[in-house]
Amino acid sequence: VHLVESGGGLVQPGGSLRLSCSASGFSFETFWMSWVRQAPGKGLEWVANIKQDGSQKQYLDSLKGRFTVSRDNAKNVVYLQMNDLRAEDTAVYYCARDGSGSGSSWTFDHWGQGTLITVSS
Amino acid sequence: QSALTQPPSVSGSPGQSVAISCTGTSSDFHTVSWYKQPPGSAPKLMIYEVSNRPSGVPDRFSGSKSGNTASLTISGLQPEDEADYYCNIYTTNTYVFGTGTKVTVL
Repeated sequence: VHLVESGGGLVQPGGSLRLSCSASGFSFETFWMSWVRQAPGKGLEWVANIKQDGSQKQYLDSLKGRFTVSRDNAKNVVYLQMNDLRAEDTAVYYCARDGSGSGSSWTFDHWGQGTLITVSS
Repeated sequence: QSALTQPPSVSGSPGQSVAISCTGTSSDFHTVSWYKQPPGSAPKLMIYEVSNRPSGVPDRFSGSKSGNTASLTISGLQPEDEADYYCNIYTTNTYVFGTGTKVTVL
């Protein structure tokens, strides 16, 4: 299992960014996928997840309306579109596989190395 | 359910046992999992569904729960166990992490 995030960088407050997570080494279309973030020096915070076929999406309440998760099963990629970015969105964003498809329910059984988003003027 | 409460830090000498607690108000602690995050690295799943270990996780890591409190115990502490540890539960269509505990091997 290999997960590689990309798309991070410096963005101004109010700006937008789209993160990508390329997956390999497993049947991508059979797993829920999640995004988890970690602000500098802080703890982990779940952001959103998406069902295998994209028909269900769940979000952290405080992010609803600004962040959108999507996926392309033909390309084995999951995306996170982030709009109206704020300083408090500054964090490392991790892509993670939901373990329920491999027998460990309610878990993130594989993680990418993360991509850093810095929101600053 | 706001962030689950964990002690900021625990420490022990090599060979000793340490326990990390994770407390919340949710009734969904049957979903609790634990993650280890060494400095500068991504988290790694250590325990799922309260007490199950994924393949490759040493059996000196064990988990338990009582009501709304879960615990991760590391027996026979090793230097490589030094890291941050986070609990997590799934409740009301949301995943909630604990505040994190830094484990120091003296």
